[in-house]
Amino acid sequence: DQQVKQNSPSLSVQEGRISILNCDYTNSMFDYFLWYKKYPAEGPTFLISISSIKDKNEDGRFTVFLNKSAKHLSLHIVPSQPGDSAVYFCAAASPTSGTYKYIFGTGTRLKVLA
Amino acid sequence: SAVISQKPSRDICQRGTSLTIQCQVDSQVTMMFWYRQQPGQSLTLIATANQGSEATYESGFVIDKFPISRPNLTFSTLTVSNMSPEDSSIYLCSAWDRSRRGYTFGSGTRLTVV
Repeated sequence: DQQVKQNSPSLSVQEGRISILNCDYTNSMFDYFLWYKKYPAEGPTFLISISSIKDKNEDGRFTVFLNKSAKHLSLHIVPSQPGDSAVYFCAAASPTSGTYKYIFGTGTRLKVLA
Repeated sequence: SAVISQKPSRDICQRGTSLTIQCQVDSQVTMMFWYRQQPGQSLTLIATANQGSEATYESGFVIDKFPISRPNLTFSTLTVSNMSPEDSSIYLCSAWDRSRRGYTFGSGTRLTVV
């Protein structure tokens, strides 16, 4: 049972436009969410996080939105740059309950076209 | 955040042999985690490795197949034993990053079993 889903395996966006990556989860106990970016031949790197007590978190060009009732989160990248081309993973866990085991989605490959 | 050096970065191994993957962290960390990413799949947690205790394995993973060592707070190894082509994956170690409530990852080991 896939508790965290990224239903779009790939996404292409023109440079300068907005990229929107989506993630759905099924476990209502999840209370902390992360986005990671992964370049080929590298490990995932932390991008941005959001707690379930918030519905939005911003860091520069990156904004994560959380809709708890829909069990949905999205990552917005504005403006998109060619260097943003990578695979993006969302992950969810409930660290407040003592577990630090994140469940990852299958990733979305973003390609930003120059 | 901690910096994790993981090696080897890639290897091609014969079936039936074993490979040990090493991760060195540049600071002391209590919790380390080993993940596997099979082609086209999400990151799947293999086990949690805390210093001074036996590793805790997730469902579907056993110590005989994936023995883990955690001799101190800066180092861990994962061995993939008696390999078969189905073990061909990217293996990632990670350390708990308390400030981000998430993981810092190593660069990964791309394993191909022939």
